[in-house]
Amino acid sequence: DGGITQSPKYLFRKEGQNVTLSCEQNLNHDAMYWYRQDPGQGLRLIYYSQIVNDFQKGDIAEGYSVSREKKESFPLTVTSAQKNPTAFYLCASGQGAPHQPQHFGDGTRLSIL
Amino acid sequence: GQNIDQPTEMTATEGAIVQINCTYQTSGFNGLFWYQQHAGEAPTFLSYNVLDGLEEKGRFSSFLSRSKGYSYLLLKELQMKDSASYLCAVRASGNTPLVFGKGTRLSVIA
Repeated sequence: DGGITQSPKYLFRKEGQNVTLSCEQNLNHDAMYWYRQDPGQGLRLIYYSQIVNDFQKGDIAEGYSVSREKKESFPLTVTSAQKNPTAFYLCASGQGAPHQPQHFGDGTRLSIL
Repeated sequence: GQNIDQPTEMTATEGAIVQINCTYQTSGFNGLFWYQQHAGEAPTFLSYNVLDGLEEKGRFSSFLSRSKGYSYLLLKELQMKDSASYLCAVRASGNTPLVFGKGTRLSVIA
């Protein structure tokens, strides 16, 4: 089945640790995105990539890093510099045309121990 | 800047009709999207408007007025499974990422 796979579904991090969230898509989409969702805040853009080996910061990129070495994969690293990392993280992909929607993975819920 | 406003919560009765409004002020406009999101799950795409007017898709319709910076999502014959958050999102220009409102949590009661 075509889709977007995020893993793991739940993730726990100790203070001071970096952690990487996986996002893989087999939809042959050019563009991929990472959003963060907090209660009452809606979805906020962290990073996005419209082509392999290129990515741009979103509205809340501080404390996060990404890579886009393959079209199918767009991992997000939450670094120890991110002071409030507890949130629901959603990865999305899109075909790169303005009228096409973004399609979302099932999300990863990150909590601090 | 980008600003997208939606009501925080709404309640409606099973079998009724509900209208969820969205107003936007963005640096440009290249389309408006509505998504449905059940608690703890991924948002799923419902509708897209780029021209003024009404788009109908089964029990769901979406309306756009670009001059007013306004859209609504209309849900007919409400069912209990329609209880979810509804997210309004705007593409400001080209193929830039969607900018989302905070979502409207709809509760359908018997």
